[in-house]
This record gives sequence, C-alpha cells and structure tokens, in this order.
Amino acid sequence: DAGVTQSPTHLIKTRGQQVTLRCSPKSGHDTVSWYQQALGQGPQFIFQYYEEEERQRGNFPDRFSGHQFPNYSSELNVNALLLGDSALYLCASRRDYEQYFGPGTRLTVT
Amino acid sequence: RKEVEQDPGPFNVPEGATVAFNCTYSNSASQSFFWYRQDCRKEPKLLMSVYSSGNEDGRFTAQLNRASQYISLLIRDSKLSDSATYLCVVAKSSGGYNKLIFGAGTRLAVHP
Repeated sequence: DAGVTQSPTHLIKTRGQQVTLRCSPKSGHDTVSWYQQALGQGPQFIFQYYEEEERQRGNFPDRFSGHQFPNYSSELNVNALLLGDSALYLCASRRDYEQYFGPGTRLTVT
Repeated sequence: RKEVEQDPGPFNVPEGATVAFNCTYSNSASQSFFWYRQDCRKEPKLLMSVYSSGNEDGRFTAQLNRASQYISLLIRDSKLSDSATYLCVVAKSSGGYNKLIFGAGTRLAVHP
C-alpha cells in the first residue's frame, strides 16, 4: 500500500516565478492538507482540501493556491515566488483520524 | 506569542537516560493533542496521541493538563535511535475540519 507521495522531491526556482507541487494521498484517504516547513521551524498549515474544495486556510497570502482532483490528488501552486518561500512543502492525507505525511518537496528560491 | 511553544533544545543525553519534553499551547479551544517525531530531512510521523488521563506506549509516556494548557512527553531508557526532533501538535476544529498546529520542535540527541 503506497503511502503519501509527492513530486518533485527537489526544485530550484527564481524569484517571481511560479511553481506547482503535486501530492497523491494514501489509498483510501480523501482529505489532503498542505504545510510549509522553514528550516528550524515546525510545519505551518497552508490549507486543506476535501471533496475538491478548500475547507480551511492558514495565514498564507493568495499567492498560495491549490486544487484537489476527483481522485483526491492535490496540487499546491505558488505564484510570484519570494526568497522567503524557500522551504520544505509537506502534503498530508487522512480519512478519519491520523494524518500521514509525504516526504515533502524541498523548494529553493534564488 | 506562538500558539504552540516548545523548548528547542538540543537535549543531549546518554543512552539509558530518561528525558522529558514540555510544551504549552495558547488556545483553550484546542481539541486534540499529539507528539510527532521528525528525523533529519524526513517527514513528521505520529509518535502518539495525548489524552487527558495520560497514556503510555512502551518507553514513551504522554501527559496533558488542560487547565494549565501543558503537554509533556517522557522517554525512558533512551536509545540512540530516539535521536530526532519531537514536535508538539495541537488540533483545532473549525466547521468540522481539523487543522494541526505544530510547535517548532525539540531536538534530542542520544549519545553512547
């Protein structure tokens, strides 16, 4: 049973560019959340998707947007990248109780 | 003030030692509590949930004090493999949807 998968594993972008990160949830999971983890910090909640709709959002600007597809997979889009967007982006999926995290995408903005 | 606060450490302890981590949270509406473990450059993984009555899982014991908004994790007989960052997590529900609020983590290094 595959766990949560994310792609790509690493990414380097330039300030001002746009990026799309992808997540496939664990089999049977219908809820996907995205987190940003800066170096030395805990993960910060970005938003959560269920039934293809954004259900909750953290304190992130509109440059951060997402999407959930009918197969429950999800994308995170970040526009107009800033140096401060450099971080590990984690996707987590759940059905009921426990959240399972993917390995993350490490984004570096130069 | 951060919603979840932890001592960043590092805690450097010898194998076999007992070590305790503390965490405080600011939102009394928080509903669920967890400890996650994160190894270097890896994703967080659930270590254990924390219940008001306290709970134990092998060498790990978690306690919750809702009145003081305080959570603790005790690790007995530390192993080298316990070296990791321990994240204190609280969950808040809004409109029927939970979100996890993470502390910055406490680093533990167990040495021979």
